[in-house]
Amino acid sequence: AQKITQTQPGMFVQEKEAVTLDCTYDTSDPSYGLFWYKQPSSGEMIFLIYQGSYDQQNATEGRYSLNFQKARKSANLVISASQLGDSAMYFCAMRRPQNEKLTFGTGTRLTIIP
Amino acid sequence: DAGVIQSPRHEVTEMGQEVTLRCKPISGHDYLFWYRQTMMRGLELLIYFNNNVPIDDSGMPEDRFSAKMPNASFSTLKIQPSEPRDSAVYFCASSFSPRGQFANEQFFGPGTRLTVL
Repeated sequence: AQKITQTQPGMFVQEKEAVTLDCTYDTSDPSYGLFWYKQPSSGEMIFLIYQGSYDQQNATEGRYSLNFQKARKSANLVISASQLGDSAMYFCAMRRPQNEKLTFGTGTRLTIIP
Repeated sequence: DAGVIQSPRHEVTEMGQEVTLRCKPISGHDYLFWYRQTMMRGLELLIYFNNNVPIDDSGMPEDRFSAKMPNASFSTLKIQPSEPRDSAVYFCASSFSPRGQFANEQFFGPGTRLTVL
């Protein structure tokens, strides 16, 4: 069975610093997809970044990058130059092959301090 | 472009009543998902459809829950009868899968906050 683990329930980071949100996963499938979503206090789920298990390079999207370490089964989200608007819950999720179903982690609440 | 549309945004009902949540996916998307979010259980997938056909309903908690997708632009999630433990935020999401590939993201609606008294 698939499992996503986010060990940091909450983090406080100074504005403009970089932040790393941890995500480890457990799967026996050779092919899978990894996702990060942001959920601000308003409640909507916002897609941030995607990494395929066969992608050769780490995914990047603006200030977001994914530190993908396949052997360690980790897919950490890195946010560079954090902003006050980055304060939110962040969820890591995984999709197994031949299936569009996403399994989510428990999330990390990130608070950016001015 | 309009995103995923859900209605109502908030619903308060009494135990035993029927509740119907509605979703309009993004036009052209071929997958539709229903999720439930609670503090205790986090985000969990209830059911998803591909081209209006239910593919995986293993997350539907019990027979009180049912979902339909009569056409490509509309889906409902019904709870009958509702119970206080059904109180949660229900999200609808949709995605598009290019032929032979899997979608790289699911687009979520704003959610329906359901409170069952």
